[in-house]
Amino acid sequence: AQKVTQAQTEISVVEKEDVTLDCVYETRDTTYYLFWYKQPPSGELVFLIRRNSFDEQNEISGRYSWNFQKSTSSFNFTITASQVVDSAVYFCALIPFSKGATNKLIFGTGTLLAVQP
Amino acid sequence: ETGVTQSPTHLIKTRGQQVTLRCSSQSGHNTVSWYQQALGQGPQFIFQYYREEENGRGNFPPRFSGLQFPNYSSELNVNALELDDSALYLCASSGRDVGSPLHFGNGTRLTVT
Repeated sequence: AQKVTQAQTEISVVEKEDVTLDCVYETRDTTYYLFWYKQPPSGELVFLIRRNSFDEQNEISGRYSWNFQKSTSSFNFTITASQVVDSAVYFCALIPFSKGATNKLIFGTGTLLAVQP
Repeated sequence: ETGVTQSPTHLIKTRGQQVTLRCSSQSGHNTVSWYQQALGQGPQFIFQYYREEENGRGNFPPRFSGLQFPNYSSELNVNALELDDSALYLCASSGRDVGSPLHFGNGTRLTVT
């Protein structure tokens, strides 16, 4: 099965708290790509990061960091010192790569993050 | 760099009618995909177009069809609208290679009454 699970439906934090959004994926392919997208109330999906299955290095970009662990099939996203502008729905997504594959994103159900002032 | 633009923003249709949604891809991108996002759900892949041909399709019936034009812009057509077609329709453009990041437009909110 090709699947992405985001078990946290909603998270509420107070500004300046750190928050981690969980993502667990399933795929039978050895090559795949993982993504995180942010969807603010305006509706547009904003691309945040892409990782390929051969690169397990963690990545940090400002207040954002990502922890990719193939052993647990997880690709978690941490926001440090959260801000009200971080309030949005966050989606984890997967593109499996096999012969004949298309560039099709398989999304999780999303996590609604509410950052209170 | 021009991003992905979609029109219209909102649309209200009656069950049984037909609708056309439009999308202009980001400059430099030759592949367009369409997704349906029901309320509270993640987007679901409808289909993808490359060089004016459909080259991937999700689990959607044939009454969902599309076109891609030589300038890489695209249309999504839905015939015989049903109440369950009410959703946010998102267009995304990307490069051709599998794994290329998809860049999305703001979407069209379709309501079927």
